[in-house]
Amino acid sequence: DQQVKQNSPSLSVQEGRISILNCDYTNSMFDYFLWYKKYPAEGPTFLISISSIKDKNEDGRFTVFLNKSAKHLSLHIVPSQPGDSAVYFCAASPFTGTASKLTFGTGTRLQVTL
Amino acid sequence: DTEVTQTPKHLVMGMTNKKSLKCEQHMGHRAMYWYKQKAKKPPELMFVYSYEKLSINESVPSRFSPECPNSSLLNLHLHALQPEDSALYLCASSQDHATNEKLFFGSGTQLSVL
Repeated sequence: DQQVKQNSPSLSVQEGRISILNCDYTNSMFDYFLWYKKYPAEGPTFLISISSIKDKNEDGRFTVFLNKSAKHLSLHIVPSQPGDSAVYFCAASPFTGTASKLTFGTGTRLQVTL
Repeated sequence: DTEVTQTPKHLVMGMTNKKSLKCEQHMGHRAMYWYKQKAKKPPELMFVYSYEKLSINESVPSRFSPECPNSSLLNLHLHALQPEDSALYLCASSQDHATNEKLFFGSGTQLSVL
């Protein structure tokens, strides 16, 4: 049972445009959400996070939005750059908030084209 | 130094071999993790060490044996593996496993079991 779902396995966006990556979750105990980026032959790297007490968190070109009632979060990248081409994983942690309880989604491969 | 270093990067082994994967971090993190990732799947947690003690074992078969010699090092000893154990093995660390700390991942060891 996949508790964190990324329904789009891939996404192609033109350079300069907005990339929107979506993530849905089913466990209402999830309290903390993170996005990781992964390049080929490298481990995932932390990108941005959001706590359930917020509905938006921004860091430069990256913004994460959380809609708790819909159990949905999204990552916006504006403007998209070719270096953003990677696999993006959404991850969620329960109310008890332990790093060891992270559940990852299946990932969305973003391709930013020239 | 914000790196988690894993060796080797690639490993091919037979089902009767014994091998070890190594992981090192010098960020002073007190929690270290082993994850397994199959192609097009999310990372799955295997083990968590907290303050050099095994705190979580996610029902991993005994042919995988973790070891934490000190706070900077984490090993995964492999013995009598099966072909279905072929995967990317990721090591990660965090400040503490009991808070919402972001994980720092290594680049992984791509393991093939013949």
